[in-house]
Amino acid sequence: SQTIHQWPATLVQPVGSPLSLECTVEGTSNPNLYWYRQAAGRGLQLLFYSVGIGQISSEVPQNLSASRPQDRQFILSSKKLLLSDSGFYLCAWSVGGSHNEQFFGPGTRLTVL
Amino acid sequence: GQQLNQSPQSMFIQEGEDVSMNCTSSSIFNTWLWYKQDPGEGPVLLIALYKAGELTSNGRLTAQFGITRKDSFLNISASIPSDVGIYFCAGQSTGNQFYFGTGTSLTVIP
Repeated sequence: SQTIHQWPATLVQPVGSPLSLECTVEGTSNPNLYWYRQAAGRGLQLLFYSVGIGQISSEVPQNLSASRPQDRQFILSSKKLLLSDSGFYLCAWSVGGSHNEQFFGPGTRLTVL
Repeated sequence: GQQLNQSPQSMFIQEGEDVSMNCTSSSIFNTWLWYKQDPGEGPVLLIALYKAGELTSNGRLTAQFGITRKDSFLNISASIPSDVGIYFCAGQSTGNQFYFGTGTSLTVIP
């Protein structure tokens, strides 16, 4: 069976510090991978998605970036965090193509002070 | 990105009552998904729908893929306290992106 992991579970960072959130998927090959941000427990905002190693599509221009160094690894980064980057970050995966289901990780709660 | 219209935004119901919520879109979707999210956790997939008119059940949950392919409904029968949470709909067309509703917050009063 497939599982998806995210870490850390919670993170408190000062403004201006760097960020690295990691997501890994087990039990599947060549998944589509996604990063979402959720503010105030509602509304998922798609940040990035990837259909393969080194292939990143950005949905929202901002100070965040994503990388996919390995088939089942997706990383969300920032060089300098802003207060507005606080939120709940969710990683998700799906099989490529249409008529598919999307599965979410447990999330990372980021607080920028 | 595109966002689906989900209603109601919140519901307060008595334990044992039935619940209905729906999602509408201006675009046609090939897949409709329904999720439940508990506080501090990732959304969990409840039901997936792949054909227009399809009606699928998962225990006390029943969801339907609208015949126009622009809407979907979720019903919960005989609600219990553990049904509390936020319910999201999501749609997928022909690409790799999934579009989400704004969520329905459900409170069940014992």
